[in-house]
Amino acid sequence: AQKITQTQPGMFVQEKEAVTLDCTYDTSDQSYGLFWYKQPSSGEMIFLIYQGSYDEQNATEGRYSLNFQKARKSANLVISASQLGDSAMYFCAMRAVYNQGGKLIFGQGTELSVKP
Amino acid sequence: DTEVTQTPKHLVMGMTNKKSLKCEQHMGHRAMYWYKQKAKKPPELMFVYSYEKLSINESVPSRFSPECPNSSLLNLHLHALQPEDSALYLCASSQDAGQGAQPQHFGDGTRLSIL
Repeated sequence: AQKITQTQPGMFVQEKEAVTLDCTYDTSDQSYGLFWYKQPSSGEMIFLIYQGSYDEQNATEGRYSLNFQKARKSANLVISASQLGDSAMYFCAMRAVYNQGGKLIFGQGTELSVKP
Repeated sequence: DTEVTQTPKHLVMGMTNKKSLKCEQHMGHRAMYWYKQKAKKPPELMFVYSYEKLSINESVPSRFSPECPNSSLLNLHLHALQPEDSALYLCASSQDAGQGAQPQHFGDGTRLSIL
């Protein structure tokens, strides 16, 4: 069975500082993908970044980077130079690459608040 | 702007009403999904359509009835809902339901309130 754990229900960060959101996972699949989504209070789920289990380099997308440590089964999201617009709920998610018919497994989420 | 469009954005309905939620995508994706999300919780998968055929039904009550008229459209028909069905309903699409490396792209959601 697959499981995603996000241990930080809520976090605060000062504007312009970097913040790390934790995500650990458990799976018996050899090939899997890890995703981070942002959900502002408006409701839309915004895809941020993807890391494949066989990718040797950590994924980066603008101010977002994924700190992937396969042996520790962790996929932490790092947001550099936080902005007020980064205040939102962040979900870590995972799915097997070749089976399970499209089912994403989500963590419980971390609510990030950016302070001016 | 999201590439998955959901209408309406808000819906209030009584328990005896019949209504439909609509979702449209023009990214050429062949997999579409319905999720239900309660406040401060992760989305819960309801249905998966792959190549216009229902491939996953997560034991959803029959008062929710999905329909995929074509590869770009996904509907969710609602009838005789209960107050606990009040939630944010999210539609998503991806290139192929069998390819886990492809991200799912979500719409803005429909906020549903059952009186």
